[in-house]
Amino acid sequence: GEDVEQSLFLSVREGDSSVINCTYTDSSSTYLYWYKQEPGAGLQLLTYIFSNMDMKQDQRLTVLLNKKDKHLSLRIADTQTGDSAIYFCAEPSNSGYALNFGKGTSLLVTP
Amino acid sequence: DVKVTQSSRYLVKRTGEKVFLECVQDMDHENMFWYRQDPGLGLRLIYFSYDVKMKEKGDIPEGYSVSREKKERFSLILESASTNQTSMYLCASSSQGLGAFFGQGTRLTVV
Repeated sequence: GEDVEQSLFLSVREGDSSVINCTYTDSSSTYLYWYKQEPGAGLQLLTYIFSNMDMKQDQRLTVLLNKKDKHLSLRIADTQTGDSAIYFCAEPSNSGYALNFGKGTSLLVTP
Repeated sequence: DVKVTQSSRYLVKRTGEKVFLECVQDMDHENMFWYRQDPGLGLRLIYFSYDVKMKEKGDIPEGYSVSREKKERFSLILESASTNQTSMYLCASSSQGLGAFFGQGTRLTVV
């Protein structure tokens, strides 16, 4: 079947903006999610967007949703070294209970 | 804040041993999940539960079983551990589709 797709790596300089992209599979998904995983830790829910929205802003984070293209993006403004982590995009699975995750984008922020 | 606690951060077990991974959540969530995370493969769903004593297979249930005798606790059981079950195991809980909250993960090594 189709998978949630993300690019695997992104490197940015401290202070720049980061944009992480995701293509999801189910146009009827009600919520879409972004998670952050720091080394050796579990996943932390960063933000989510409801499917009737096309943008959500939360401090340095901006989520953009293009339902027509099934494209989700996460923009991090003024990226800091503490933002270095793996970022996962997720959508509800067919069961309606679990989430399907992309393979994650490793963000490296260099000084 | 939601807290999902996994009983161990690191475990080393021998091939053929029966292994129990325990997970407890404190937010009265109906749904609980076990994923495993492997490099290059992302997160894969092993089993989930939407109510006490209820369980559903995920994408990779072979070699695993689960138990949910109380709402707050969800156990993953490796009936006879094998080296290909060396992985990071992540437990999560959710309620009403508003994202899932993860524990810190258990890194299991089977030797």
